[in-house]
Amino acid sequence: SQQGEEDPQALSIQEGENATMNCSYKTSINNLQWYRQNSGRGLVHLILIRSNEREKHSGRLRVTLDTSKKSSSLLITASRAADTASYFCATVPLSGGYNKLIFGAGTRLAVHP
Amino acid sequence: GAVVSQHPSWVICKSGTSVKIECRSLDFQATTMFWYRQFPKQSLMLMATSNEGSKATYEQGVEKDKFLINHASLTLSTLTVTSAHPEDSSFYICSARITRVSYNEQFFGPGTRLTVL
Repeated sequence: SQQGEEDPQALSIQEGENATMNCSYKTSINNLQWYRQNSGRGLVHLILIRSNEREKHSGRLRVTLDTSKKSSSLLITASRAADTASYFCATVPLSGGYNKLIFGAGTRLAVHP
Repeated sequence: GAVVSQHPSWVICKSGTSVKIECRSLDFQATTMFWYRQFPKQSLMLMATSNEGSKATYEQGVEKDKFLINHASLTLSTLTVTSAHPEDSSFYICSARITRVSYNEQFFGPGTRLTVL
Protein backbone atom coordinates (compact mmCIF):
# COMPACT_ATOMS: atom_id res chain seq x y z
CA SER A 1 0.00 0.00 0.00
CA GLN A 2 1.18 3.50 -0.71
CA GLN A 3 -0.60 4.84 2.28
CA GLY A 4 1.37 6.14 5.18
CA GLU A 5 0.59 5.40 8.75
CA GLU A 6 -0.54 7.64 11.51
CA ASP A 7 -0.45 7.13 15.21
CA PRO A 8 -2.24 7.06 17.39
CA GLN A 9 -5.31 5.83 15.55
CA ALA A 10 -7.44 7.44 18.23
CA LEU A 11 -6.66 10.05 20.85
CA SER A 12 -8.88 11.19 23.69
CA ILE A 13 -7.90 14.24 25.77
CA GLN A 14 -9.36 16.95 27.95
CA GLU A 15 -9.88 20.53 26.84
CA GLY A 16 -6.76 22.59 27.35
CA GLU A 17 -4.37 19.71 26.84
CA ASN A 18 -2.08 19.42 23.86
CA ALA A 19 -2.68 16.80 21.18
CA THR A 20 0.17 15.29 19.18
CA MET A 21 -0.36 13.15 16.12
CA ASN A 22 2.36 11.45 14.11
CA CYS A 23 2.54 10.48 10.49
CA SER A 24 5.01 8.27 8.66
CA TYR A 25 5.29 7.87 4.92
CA LYS A 26 7.16 5.70 2.48
CA THR A 27 8.41 7.66 -0.53
CA SER A 28 10.36 10.84 -1.10
CA ILE A 29 8.06 13.82 -1.12
CA ASN A 30 7.68 17.32 -2.47
CA ASN A 31 5.52 18.39 0.47
CA LEU A 32 3.31 17.07 3.23
CA GLN A 33 -0.07 18.43 4.15
CA TRP A 34 -2.39 18.03 7.11
CA TYR A 35 -6.15 17.96 6.77
CA ARG A 36 -9.02 17.88 9.19
CA GLN A 37 -12.32 16.10 8.65
CA ASN A 38 -15.37 16.48 10.81
CA SER A 39 -17.54 13.38 10.93
CA GLY A 40 -19.24 12.74 7.60
CA ARG A 41 -17.91 15.91 6.02
CA GLY A 42 -15.29 16.96 3.53
CA LEU A 43 -11.70 17.79 4.30
CA VAL A 44 -10.33 21.12 5.39
CA HIS A 45 -6.73 21.99 4.57
CA LEU A 46 -4.80 22.94 7.71
CA ILE A 47 -1.18 23.41 6.81
CA LEU A 48 1.41 22.50 4.18
CA ILE A 49 5.08 21.95 4.86
CA ARG A 50 7.59 21.63 2.06
CA SER A 51 10.33 19.02 2.02
CA ASN A 52 13.00 21.64 2.70
CA GLU A 53 11.20 22.94 5.78
CA ARG A 54 11.52 21.44 9.24
CA GLU A 55 8.84 23.24 11.21
CA LYS A 56 5.83 25.39 10.53
CA HIS A 57 3.29 27.16 12.71
CA SER A 58 -0.26 28.29 12.11
CA GLY A 59 -2.19 29.57 15.10
CA ARG A 60 -2.41 26.70 17.61
CA LEU A 61 -0.97 24.26 15.10
CA ARG A 62 2.67 23.24 14.90
CA VAL A 63 3.91 20.85 12.26
CA THR A 64 7.33 19.28 12.07
CA LEU A 65 8.86 17.31 9.24
CA ASP A 66 11.82 14.94 9.36
CA THR A 67 12.56 13.77 5.85
CA SER A 68 15.40 11.52 7.01
CA LYS A 69 12.91 9.54 9.09
CA LYS A 70 10.05 10.10 6.65
CA SER A 71 7.85 11.32 9.43
CA SER A 72 5.84 14.35 10.48
CA SER A 73 3.97 15.42 13.55
CA LEU A 74 1.02 17.72 14.14
CA LEU A 75 0.70 19.40 17.51
CA ILE A 76 -2.49 21.15 18.53
CA THR A 77 -1.94 23.27 21.60
CA ALA A 78 -4.58 24.20 24.17
CA SER A 79 -7.15 21.96 22.53
CA ARG A 80 -10.84 22.79 22.45
CA ALA A 81 -13.92 20.60 22.14
CA ALA A 82 -14.36 22.04 18.65
CA ASP A 83 -11.06 20.41 17.65
CA THR A 84 -12.77 17.02 17.81
CA ALA A 85 -12.34 15.55 14.33
CA SER A 86 -10.23 13.17 12.30
CA TYR A 87 -6.85 14.43 11.20
CA PHE A 88 -5.06 13.14 8.12
CA CYS A 89 -1.62 13.70 6.78
CA ALA A 90 -1.18 13.58 3.02
CA THR A 91 2.01 13.51 1.04
CA VAL A 92 2.78 14.68 -2.48
CA PRO A 93 5.34 12.20 -3.83
CA LEU A 94 8.24 13.44 -5.93
CA SER A 95 7.27 11.01 -8.67
CA GLY A 96 3.96 11.29 -10.51
CA GLY A 97 4.11 14.93 -11.53
CA TYR A 98 3.01 16.25 -8.15
CA ASN A 99 -0.51 15.19 -9.00
CA LYS A 100 -1.30 12.76 -6.25
CA LEU A 101 -2.07 13.16 -2.60
CA ILE A 102 -1.39 9.99 -0.63
CA PHE A 103 -3.35 10.00 2.60
CA GLY A 104 -2.40 8.43 5.88
CA ALA A 105 -4.83 6.35 7.89
CA GLY A 106 -5.80 9.26 10.10
CA THR A 107 -6.07 9.98 13.80
CA ARG A 108 -9.48 10.38 15.42
CA LEU A 109 -9.20 13.06 18.06
CA ALA A 110 -11.80 13.50 20.77
CA VAL A 111 -11.50 16.54 23.03
CA HIS A 112 -13.72 16.39 26.09
CA PRO A 113 -15.01 19.54 27.80
CA GLY B 1 -12.26 31.60 -2.25
CA ALA B 2 -11.41 28.07 -3.49
CA VAL B 3 -14.79 26.51 -2.78
CA VAL B 4 -15.72 23.12 -4.15
CA SER B 5 -19.28 21.87 -4.10
CA GLN B 6 -20.72 18.41 -4.60
CA HIS B 7 -24.20 17.38 -5.53
CA PRO B 8 -26.03 15.52 -4.20
CA SER B 9 -24.83 15.42 -0.61
CA TRP B 10 -26.46 12.05 -0.15
CA VAL B 11 -28.28 9.56 -2.33
CA ILE B 12 -30.05 6.27 -1.77
CA CYS B 13 -30.63 4.06 -4.77
CA LYS B 14 -31.65 0.55 -5.66
CA SER B 15 -29.14 -2.05 -6.72
CA GLY B 16 -28.57 -1.99 -10.46
CA THR B 17 -29.26 1.68 -10.99
CA SER B 18 -26.71 4.33 -11.96
CA VAL B 19 -25.91 7.38 -9.89
CA LYS B 20 -24.23 10.59 -11.03
CA ILE B 21 -22.32 12.80 -8.64
CA GLU B 22 -21.27 16.32 -9.62
CA CYS B 23 -18.21 18.18 -8.42
CA ARG B 24 -17.90 21.90 -9.12
CA SER B 25 -15.21 24.44 -8.43
CA LEU B 26 -17.22 27.56 -7.68
CA ASP B 27 -14.72 30.40 -7.82
CA PHE B 28 -11.68 29.07 -9.61
CA GLN B 29 -10.71 27.04 -12.62
CA ALA B 30 -9.51 23.52 -12.07
CA THR B 31 -7.86 21.64 -14.89
CA THR B 32 -7.44 18.71 -12.54
CA MET B 33 -9.99 17.21 -10.20
CA PHE B 34 -9.69 14.11 -8.10
CA TRP B 35 -12.19 11.52 -6.92
CA TYR B 36 -11.73 9.72 -3.63
CA ARG B 37 -13.64 7.03 -1.84
CA GLN B 38 -13.82 6.70 1.92
CA PHE B 39 -15.24 3.81 3.94
CA PRO B 40 -16.36 4.40 7.54
CA LYS B 41 -13.50 5.23 9.89
CA GLN B 42 -10.98 4.77 7.12
CA SER B 43 -8.80 7.05 5.09
CA LEU B 44 -9.38 8.47 1.64
CA MET B 45 -8.42 6.29 -1.28
CA LEU B 46 -7.76 7.99 -4.58
CA MET B 47 -9.94 6.49 -7.29
CA ALA B 48 -9.04 8.59 -10.31
CA THR B 49 -7.58 11.82 -11.54
CA SER B 50 -9.81 13.79 -13.85
CA ASN B 51 -8.27 16.16 -16.38
CA GLU B 52 -10.37 18.65 -18.29
CA GLY B 53 -10.82 17.62 -21.90
CA SER B 54 -9.11 14.26 -21.62
CA LYS B 55 -9.71 10.80 -20.27
CA ALA B 56 -9.44 10.21 -16.56
CA THR B 57 -6.54 8.31 -15.07
CA TYR B 58 -7.72 5.51 -12.82
CA GLU B 59 -5.84 4.03 -9.91
CA GLN B 60 -5.01 0.36 -9.88
CA GLY B 61 -8.00 -1.76 -8.97
CA VAL B 62 -10.61 0.85 -9.89
CA GLU B 63 -12.88 -0.25 -12.72
CA LYS B 64 -13.14 2.53 -15.28
CA ASP B 65 -16.32 1.05 -16.77
CA LYS B 66 -17.89 0.97 -13.34
CA PHE B 67 -16.92 4.48 -12.32
CA LEU B 68 -17.32 6.78 -15.30
CA ILE B 69 -15.67 10.16 -15.00
CA ASN B 70 -16.31 13.14 -17.22
CA HIS B 71 -14.50 16.46 -16.88
CA ALA B 72 -16.22 18.51 -19.53
CA SER B 73 -15.31 21.98 -18.32
CA LEU B 74 -12.82 23.75 -16.11
CA THR B 75 -15.33 23.87 -13.27
CA LEU B 76 -17.22 20.59 -13.47
CA SER B 77 -16.35 16.93 -13.14
CA THR B 78 -18.88 14.13 -12.79
CA LEU B 79 -18.59 10.62 -11.41
CA THR B 80 -21.19 8.09 -12.49
CA VAL B 81 -21.43 4.86 -10.56
CA THR B 82 -22.94 2.47 -13.05
CA SER B 83 -25.06 -0.53 -12.07
CA ALA B 84 -24.51 0.23 -8.42
CA HIS B 85 -24.37 -2.59 -5.89
CA PRO B 86 -24.43 -2.52 -2.08
CA GLU B 87 -20.63 -2.84 -1.95
CA ASP B 88 -20.42 0.51 -3.77
CA SER B 89 -22.02 2.19 -0.76
CA SER B 90 -19.44 4.65 0.47
CA PHE B 91 -18.57 8.31 0.96
CA TYR B 92 -17.32 9.82 -2.30
CA ILE B 93 -15.28 13.01 -2.09
CA CYS B 94 -13.96 15.13 -4.91
CA SER B 95 -11.23 17.70 -4.83
CA ALA B 96 -9.92 20.29 -7.22
CA ARG B 97 -6.47 21.62 -7.75
CA ILE B 98 -5.89 25.26 -8.59
CA THR B 99 -4.28 25.32 -12.01
CA ARG B 100 -1.53 27.82 -11.36
CA VAL B 101 -0.29 26.27 -8.14
CA SER B 102 2.55 23.81 -8.46
CA TYR B 103 2.61 22.21 -5.06
CA ASN B 104 -0.72 20.40 -5.34
CA GLU B 105 -2.86 21.95 -2.66
CA GLN B 106 -6.28 20.46 -3.21
CA PHE B 107 -9.62 21.86 -2.14
CA PHE B 108 -12.18 19.30 -1.15
CA GLY B 109 -15.89 19.10 -1.66
CA PRO B 110 -18.19 18.21 1.24
CA GLY B 111 -18.66 14.64 0.01
CA THR B 112 -21.55 12.52 -1.22
CA ARG B 113 -22.81 9.62 0.81
CA LEU B 114 -24.06 6.84 -1.47
CA THR B 115 -26.21 4.06 -0.07
CA VAL B 116 -27.16 1.25 -2.40
CA LEU B 117 -30.00 -0.95 -1.21
